Amino acid sequence: DVQLVESGGDLVQPGGSLRLSCVGSGFTFSTFEMHWVRQAPGKGLQWIAYINEGGSGANYADSVKGRFTISRDNAGDSLFLHMNSLRVEDTAVYYCARASVTTEYFSDSWGHGTLVTVSS
Amino acid sequence: EIVLTQSPATLSLSPGERATLSCRATQSVSRFLAWYQQRPGQAPRLLIYDIFNRAPGIPDRFSGSGSGTDFTLTISSLEPEDFAVYYCQQRKDWPITFGPGTKVDIK
Repeated sequence: DVQLVESGGDLVQPGGSLRLSCVGSGFTFSTFEMHWVRQAPGKGLQWIAYINEGGSGANYADSVKGRFTISRDNAGDSLFLHMNSLRVEDTAVYYCARASVTTEYFSDSWGHGTLVTVSS
Repeated sequence: EIVLTQSPATLSLSPGERATLSCRATQSVSRFLAWYQQRPGQAPRLLIYDIFNRAPGIPDRFSGSGSGTDFTLTISSLEPEDFAVYYCQQRKDWPITFGPGTKVDIK
């Protein structure tokens, strides 16, 4: 079965840093583009970052550009989100999602999410 | 940025009824439009991609239609597990954007 499992969410002070991880299993991780999507409490979905299969290309939402960095380790079937200069408004559940060629690069599998709380 | 709006914000229906959800884009998204379902406490689940294609394992009571800037998700006969929030998403242009969601709740 395809699985994505996020970890690393925590309570952090404004201005702090955090690294989220997402481990994939049940599929060939290195052949899939990946995304991070977040959801603030009681709010809708917000796409924040994308990385291509090899890790050489990435794209970001303006709200996180320059503060967050997406990366991957295909040998370890892992996706990361390095988050710096965190703000209260970054508080959200963070999901990793894979983009499948089978579904025309829309996200057919999602993790359960990891909660990031930014508060003093 | 392509902005997606969804209507209505909330749809109150009974099991067995037909649900019609709308998604409108500020510019054409070509075929790059998908629908997701999110139940409380769960991750989103892909229902429809490229306007009308059902994702694997999705029952045929879910169907998508539309073109250009106006799209519709139809649930032909609501089952108890269909009461959830539904989001449309475009990937025509960066940034990828989602609509604000339509909540389908039990009347």
